[in-house]
Amino acid sequence: DVKVTQSSRYLVKRTGEKVFLECVQDMDHENMFWYRQDPGLGLRLIYFSYDVKMKEKGDIPEGYSVSREKKERFSLILESASTNQTSMYLCASSLDRLGNTIYFGEGSWLTVV
Amino acid sequence: AQSVTQPDIHITVSEGASLELRCNYSYGATPYLFWYVQSPGQGLQLLLKYFSGDTLVQGIKGFEAEFKRSQSSFNLRKPSVHWSDAAEYFCAVGALGTGFQKLVFGTGTRLLVSP
Repeated sequence: DVKVTQSSRYLVKRTGEKVFLECVQDMDHENMFWYRQDPGLGLRLIYFSYDVKMKEKGDIPEGYSVSREKKERFSLILESASTNQTSMYLCASSLDRLGNTIYFGEGSWLTVV
Repeated sequence: AQSVTQPDIHITVSEGASLELRCNYSYGATPYLFWYVQSPGQGLQLLLKYFSGDTLVQGIKGFEAEFKRSQSSFNLRKPSVHWSDAAEYFCAVGALGTGFQKLVFGTGTRLLVSP
């Protein structure tokens, strides 16, 4: 089975802090994604990466950055956390660029106070 | 731009009754379509997917979905709901950008199962 692991399930951070959300997949997938989930809005794509050191903006990249130094690891960075970034963050991966199933991690609940 | 509409925010179904969750999409080309389920506090699990071929797709946990191009719909069905099916369900369309697929999600439908 594909395993997408988000190391932090629940975090509470203060406004202005730098926050790192880590995601690791164990299936040698090329593509990795970060989504944000909010009630009534569904999932929205923040950033994705199709190769090591490559990244592309999704639909809501403002206030976020990402890092992919190794194929299996994709990090989401909040440079200066704000209360409107309180949300559930979901990491995902897929084998190739076209049409293959995307697998999700269990999510990271971030609260910014 | 591609989009997905799930018109029902909440649905309540009695245990043992049949279920249909609605999904309409907007996409210019042949879509890749998915249904995911999310249990409370968990990530998303794939129920089924449609890429091409037979328009009636079977998935896990007894779910099925039917792709209807003329109606731009991909509704999810189950003949007999179990209490463990209570969860949030997301429909998604795989949108091909510049040689890259990303998922566009609907806003979800929360299923409640009554005894």
